[in-house]
Amino acid sequence: DIVMTQSPDSLAVSLGERATINCKSSQSLLYSSNNKNYLAWYQQKPGQPPKLLIYWSSTRESGVPDRFSGSGSGTDFTLTISSLQAEDVAVYYCQQYFTTPPWAFGQGTKVEIK
Amino acid sequence: EVQLVESGGGLVQPGGSLRLSCAASGFTFSNYWMHWVRQAPGKGLVWVSRINSDESDTTSADSVRGRFTISRDNVKNTLYLQMDSLRAEDTAVYYCARGALVNHAFFDYWGQGSLVTVSS
Repeated sequence: DIVMTQSPDSLAVSLGERATINCKSSQSLLYSSNNKNYLAWYQQKPGQPPKLLIYWSSTRESGVPDRFSGSGSGTDFTLTISSLQAEDVAVYYCQQYFTTPPWAFGQGTKVEIK
Repeated sequence: EVQLVESGGGLVQPGGSLRLSCAASGFTFSNYWMHWVRQAPGKGLVWVSRINSDESDTTSADSVRGRFTISRDNVKNTLYLQMDSLRAEDTAVYYCARGALVNHAFFDYWGQGSLVTVSS
């Protein structure tokens, strides 16, 4: 099974500053036939269900603010919040869908305001 | 508007059973794969089980295989999770989630969740 590892486990960022979350997979998530990385990012605010932010490693879901961006390829991926807002306080999860089952999530990264 | 509403959670003793339901609306339910994902208190997300659109194929995580059964009713637009032989470690919020049409890959909508507590 593919194992997803996020870093850091938590981070505190000042309002308006950049937040960067890393996600590493135990094997490549790049499908050579379509050149797509099978990785998604989710945001889970306190007391709420997860919400899809990004899929195919860099495609923003409809309605997601453009301060959220995804990058990376193969085994190393990054979620960047370019200018942190108060409403971005949440736990963020990466998820692979290259080899399923299982649909594996990272352990989560908690983002707080400094 | 896509809506997924779970119900059926509660307190159950170890070894007991519970059936969760997820009522879907706002989309053509029969076109989509559906999933159950759980989250133990203070922990991360763990995929539990998946059913394809016409119920011809299901798959589950090793931790629940043989104890949990996923099913659906495409007339009632409802997803189910029958949970038997429950253990303390099954205590979690259970979310139903819709698989995206594209490659049935990621989860594009989630319900609010239903809390299952297994304790004596």
